[in-house]
Amino acid sequence: AQSVTQLGSHVSVSEGALVLLRCNYSSSVPPYLFWYVQYPNQGLQLLLKYTSAATLVKGINGFEAEFKKSETSFHLTKPSAHMSDAAEYFCAVSPPPGNTDKLIFGTGTRLQVFP
Amino acid sequence: NAGVTQTPKFQVLKTGQSMTLQCAQDMNHEYMSWYRQDPGMGLRLIHYSVGAGITDQGEVPNGYNVSRSTTEDFPLRLLSAAPSQTSVYFCASQLAPVRTGELFFGEGSRLTVL
Repeated sequence: AQSVTQLGSHVSVSEGALVLLRCNYSSSVPPYLFWYVQYPNQGLQLLLKYTSAATLVKGINGFEAEFKKSETSFHLTKPSAHMSDAAEYFCAVSPPPGNTDKLIFGTGTRLQVFP
Repeated sequence: NAGVTQTPKFQVLKTGQSMTLQCAQDMNHEYMSWYRQDPGMGLRLIHYSVGAGITDQGEVPNGYNVSRSTTEDFPLRLLSAAPSQTSVYFCASQLAPVRTGELFFGEGSRLTVL
């Protein structure tokens, strides 16, 4: 069965510092992986996705993630944090082909950015 | 561009009451789903639909009913509210297939059951 684990429910960084949010996946087949962001009092929106093309995926707002099969990881990074990046971030893995349509979300990581 | 619209945004119920959370999308998406979000548990799938007339259960379906009579609408019914159903509920839609696409979320409905 597919699953994702997000390490760290809270991450705090200073403005301008590197952002690193960790996600490890478990999948019986090559996975499709996603990062979603949720700003306060809003729904989730897609940040980026990996669908077996390039292993380094670039998303919106300067975020990127690298798919590493050997580490079963899909960590989210941004070189320089901005105050507006404060939000909750969710990693998700898709079901295998032919399976039921259930995107599996991690438990989320709340990012705080301090001035 | 309305996208996914959820109503109401806030609701307080007493134990045992019933209610319906409304969800409508104007993007002609075949796939629609309901999630609940609870602290430390992420998003959990309640029910989903891959097209009009077709619904199926997710991880946590007990206490909830859905129907899909049109492509646009996917209401979630709470039959007899319980305090354990206090949560934030999100409706989402997507062009099928789920595997490669993007889920579009509503802004959420915050439900408190006393």
